[in-house]
Amino acid sequence: DVKVTQSSRYLVKRTGEKVFLECVQDMDHENMFWYRQDPGLGLRLIYFSYDVKMKEKGDIPEGYSVSREKKERFSLILESASTNQTSMYLCASSLGTSRYNSPLHFGNGTRLTVT
Amino acid sequence: AQKITQTQPGMFVQEKEAVTLDCTYDTSDPSYGLFWYKQPSSGEMIFLIYQGSYDQQNATEGRYSLNFQKARKSANLVISASQLGDSAMYFCAMRDDTGRRALTFGSGTRLQVQP
Repeated sequence: DVKVTQSSRYLVKRTGEKVFLECVQDMDHENMFWYRQDPGLGLRLIYFSYDVKMKEKGDIPEGYSVSREKKERFSLILESASTNQTSMYLCASSLGTSRYNSPLHFGNGTRLTVT
Repeated sequence: AQKITQTQPGMFVQEKEAVTLDCTYDTSDPSYGLFWYKQPSSGEMIFLIYQGSYDQQNATEGRYSLNFQKARKSANLVISASQLGDSAMYFCAMRDDTGRRALTFGSGTRLQVQP
């Protein structure tokens, strides 16, 4: 089974802090994704990566950056945390094929609170 | 641009009855894939079922089936013989030819199964 591990289940940070959310997958997947989940809005794509050092913006990249130095690890960075970034953050991975049926495999999420 | 619409924020169903969760989508691409995920209160996202745009038959996985009506652009999830453990958030998602490899999610439906 694919395992996607997010380093923290809960995080509490202060406004203005630099925050790192880490994600590791163990199935050699090419694609990795960061979503945020908010009530009534579903999951929204922040960034994704289809290869090491490659990244593309999703629908809501403002205030975030990402890093992928190794294939198995994808980090989400909040350069200066703000209260409107309080949310559940979900990391996912998938095979790097053009097949439409390749599902995303998710981690358990990190609930970030910015005070 | 692609879009997923789930019009039912919450649903109730009696144990052992069937329930249909609605999903409509919007895409101009001829090739696309549709997914359903379950998110229990524990937070993990569980992949349930997939339907491809060219699939001739509706997808089925155990008690889950997908009522795919291509002309109406709908992909409703049917859960037969509901169980208490089916209580969760359910998300419909789509991948199409935009090439981003990510899934676009709807806002979700919270299903509560009553004994």
